[in-house]
Amino acid sequence: GQQVMQIPQYQHVQEGEDFTTYCNSSTTLSNIQWYKQRPGGHPVFLIQLVKSGEVKKQKRLTFQFGEAKKNSSLHITATQTTDVGTYFCAGPRGYGQNFVFGPGTRLSVLP
Amino acid sequence: DGGITQSPKYLFRKEGQNVTLSCEQNLNHDAMYWYRQDPGQGLRLIYYSQIVNDFQKGDIAEGYSVSREKKESFPLTVTSAQKNPTAFYLCASSVAGSSYEQYFGPGTRLTVT
Repeated sequence: GQQVMQIPQYQHVQEGEDFTTYCNSSTTLSNIQWYKQRPGGHPVFLIQLVKSGEVKKQKRLTFQFGEAKKNSSLHITATQTTDVGTYFCAGPRGYGQNFVFGPGTRLSVLP
Repeated sequence: DGGITQSPKYLFRKEGQNVTLSCEQNLNHDAMYWYRQDPGQGLRLIYYSQIVNDFQKGDIAEGYSVSREKKESFPLTVTSAQKNPTAFYLCASSVAGSSYEQYFGPGTRLTVT
């Protein structure tokens, strides 16, 4: 079945360092979504990418959708302690009625 | 104040008992979803519903049941047949279709001993 993978599983960075997480799908996606889950919290939608090669920015966060629409990345510039959490990507299943979530990348930021 | 609510936040049950988790939304969303999250794990889909009185099994439906009698409500029953029920359960809703963001509730942490 359709699989969505993310690497790395964990990332520990010093505050101020950059961070990148990568998402790879076994199938071509019509769109990809990114969510953030703070420790003890619930996932919160960050962004959706739709077009091949699309790049979107939200302050220090840069999201990219691959040309083949099978991979995506999230890059955080100059991490802050408020960036701590797990970042998930999610893509629609082939028939589009629900989503497959990646396993997430857990980010720790050391002050 | 629109949103999605789940209750209770923490739930403790003895093994062999069925337990029902509540999920209510006032976002007027047609689609609702139940996910299970284990420590350090991603989200696994249990059941989803695109419209009232209709629902489909997700990836890990065994030992769970749902109903969708009202648009606003999508309760999940964890039955005694579920072998490892202790987990964090998240309910979500969205506009129907795959192009819309999901709104998650705060979750219910179920512990079965």
